[in-house]
Amino acid sequence: DTGVSQDPRHKITKRGQNVTFRCDPISEHNRLYWYRQTLGQGPEFLTYFQNEAQLEKSRLLSDRFSAERPKGSFSTLEIQRTEQGDSAMYLCASSLALWSTDTQYFGPGTRLTVL
Amino acid sequence: RKEVEQDPGPFNVPEGATVAFNCTYSNSASQSFFWYRQDCRKEPKLLMSVYSSGNEDGRFTAQLNRASQYISLLIRDSKLSDSATYLCVVNPSGGFKTIFGAGTRLFVKA
Repeated sequence: DTGVSQDPRHKITKRGQNVTFRCDPISEHNRLYWYRQTLGQGPEFLTYFQNEAQLEKSRLLSDRFSAERPKGSFSTLEIQRTEQGDSAMYLCASSLALWSTDTQYFGPGTRLTVL
Repeated sequence: RKEVEQDPGPFNVPEGATVAFNCTYSNSASQSFFWYRQDCRKEPKLLMSVYSSGNEDGRFTAQLNRASQYISLLIRDSKLSDSATYLCVVNPSGGFKTIFGAGTRLFVKA
């Protein structure tokens, strides 16, 4: 399977703990996105990488959230001091940007539950 | 006002029906537009891009109206397998912050 993969698929944690999620994009894709989705809502943009450079961050991404894409391949999203409001599905998407528009391919997501 | 707005539905239609969804966007400088489909507890998948001239893919037709700032999706001859949430997606100003609507739920019944 050469699609976008995410790990873990599910994470249950206690409030105050730190969690880290991993995303492996489609291998030739240079763009990588992180989104958060809650029930009944569409995905909300969190951040975007072009290769290893983080080019855009949403105001939703508080200082407890950090994302990296160290070698322009896989990416990690870390949430420090988790809160119950962080419970959501965290989606990663990748794309191969040849022009300004691109088609994003999503991974299956990591479902986070904060108790 | 939300940047991208959709009627949440649900739309309940019989098999074979034609159903249309609209989506409005607030940023007149928006550059690119898409419809994604999301099945229950699954990731979104691209259904089709929306071009200025409109485009058609089988039973699906997408239209863009820049003057009124909306895009539409028409599904003809609905199938049971079309039951899903349809997400309107807008890329404002050619940037990278992609905005998703909250989605429109469609149920197609036999």
